[in-house]
Amino acid sequence: ETGVTQTPRHLVMGMTNKKSLKCEQHLGHNAMYWYKQSAKKPLELMFVYNFKEQTENNSVPSRFSPECPNSSHLFLHLHTLQPEDSALYLCASSPRSSVGTDTQYFGPGTRLTVL
Amino acid sequence: GQNIDQPTEMTATEGAIVQINCTYQTSGFNGLFWYQQHAGEAPTFLSYNVLDGLEEKGRFSSFLSRSKGYSYLLLKELQMKDSASYLCAVKGFNKFYFGSGTKLNVKP
Repeated sequence: ETGVTQTPRHLVMGMTNKKSLKCEQHLGHNAMYWYKQSAKKPLELMFVYNFKEQTENNSVPSRFSPECPNSSHLFLHLHTLQPEDSALYLCASSPRSSVGTDTQYFGPGTRLTVL
Repeated sequence: GQNIDQPTEMTATEGAIVQINCTYQTSGFNGLFWYQQHAGEAPTFLSYNVLDGLEEKGRFSSFLSRSKGYSYLLLKELQMKDSASYLCAVKGFNKFYFGSGTKLNVKP
């Protein structure tokens, strides 16, 4: 596999469920990101990890809990979500987050629907 | 605060040229990026500008004026497959700020 992969691609869950989104990058990058993309709104940065350490939490509600066990894997644990959390969740990676010229490579996203 | 503005939607004809504008106000500037995103797919990197001027990559060119906080993406010889959303993003100190995207409709 190459690039950035995400599973599942689609997820429907109830407000009381607990689920996890998984992201894996095969690019040897050291920075990974979670974004939320809602219809007609800008991509919203949620979390940034550099060398497995969280360096950015963009005031994300605690019902979203990230985990980065190593530089290649990133998880987003979900619990007691709200219907307004329905969106496309994109994972991205870059060589490093602190270098200006490093671009981000995105995964295909997980389309989440909260009922 | 951070602000990235770009038009919501544009329509152009196959074979024509279209210019998508982006204006920005951000704290810190480490470059401006353009991404293409087809419906239901991941954004893919198109271009990067950090110095003023025009960067050309085949049918796509991107321009930057840092003093004006302005960039544009120029698409030439439009093809139907260019129908997509185009995202303008500015890299601040260590994170990206994205615009809402411009949906480009290419018609025959």
